[in-house]
Amino acid sequence: RKEVEQDPGPFNVPEGATVAFNCTYSNSASQSFFWYRQDCRKEPKLLMSVYSSGNEDGRFTAQLNRASQYISLLIRDSKLSDSATYLCVVNGRSQGNLIFGKGTKLSVKP
Amino acid sequence: DTAVSQTPKYLVTQMGNDKSIKCEQNLGHDTMYWYKQDSKKFLKIMFSYNNKELIINETVPNRFSPKSPDKAHLNLHINSLELGDSAVYFCASSDSPGGVGYTFGSGTRLTVV
Repeated sequence: RKEVEQDPGPFNVPEGATVAFNCTYSNSASQSFFWYRQDCRKEPKLLMSVYSSGNEDGRFTAQLNRASQYISLLIRDSKLSDSATYLCVVNGRSQGNLIFGKGTKLSVKP
Repeated sequence: DTAVSQTPKYLVTQMGNDKSIKCEQNLGHDTMYWYKQDSKKFLKIMFSYNNKELIINETVPNRFSPKSPDKAHLNLHINSLELGDSAVYFCASSDSPGGVGYTFGSGTRLTVV
């Protein structure tokens, strides 16, 4: 089983749609969880951390289910500018090692 | 003012050559990293330094040697380049090992021909 697994997509959605991404991780001892965003030919940028209680930042909601080792990201009212690859990130076994999923590509169309 | 800067941005070189990539951060972070993103877009850690000390050294050929002269700089030297080394190499930094919010450099796109 890969350390962090994501559906690669692509997800093609119209503007205004709600879209959800899922991610599973294999290390039950992981404590830190994040979603990063990577635009084409650019560097990854932190979108949001994911907390046990779930957290929201504007149109973005992240959820964590430790029992199922599952993380989700919900984007409401999609904008054209949301088009990017979304990377699920979990801390690894070594101190300071963040494990990146392969990413889910989102394309928002007018 | 760029927080994490890498040079060069693009590097095209022949097999067998030796090349270096430089990275500098002005965020005052203690920890720096090198990640490799291959053609399948998989981003994988190579090395991490905390206060100039190597703390992560993943399974990377010993042709790759990182050097951290001070905590604001982490360079990557690659000997005897191979075709399979072609990738985008990202430098990143954080305030502590595994700290929240890695800041990445814009990447160095290495092509070995």
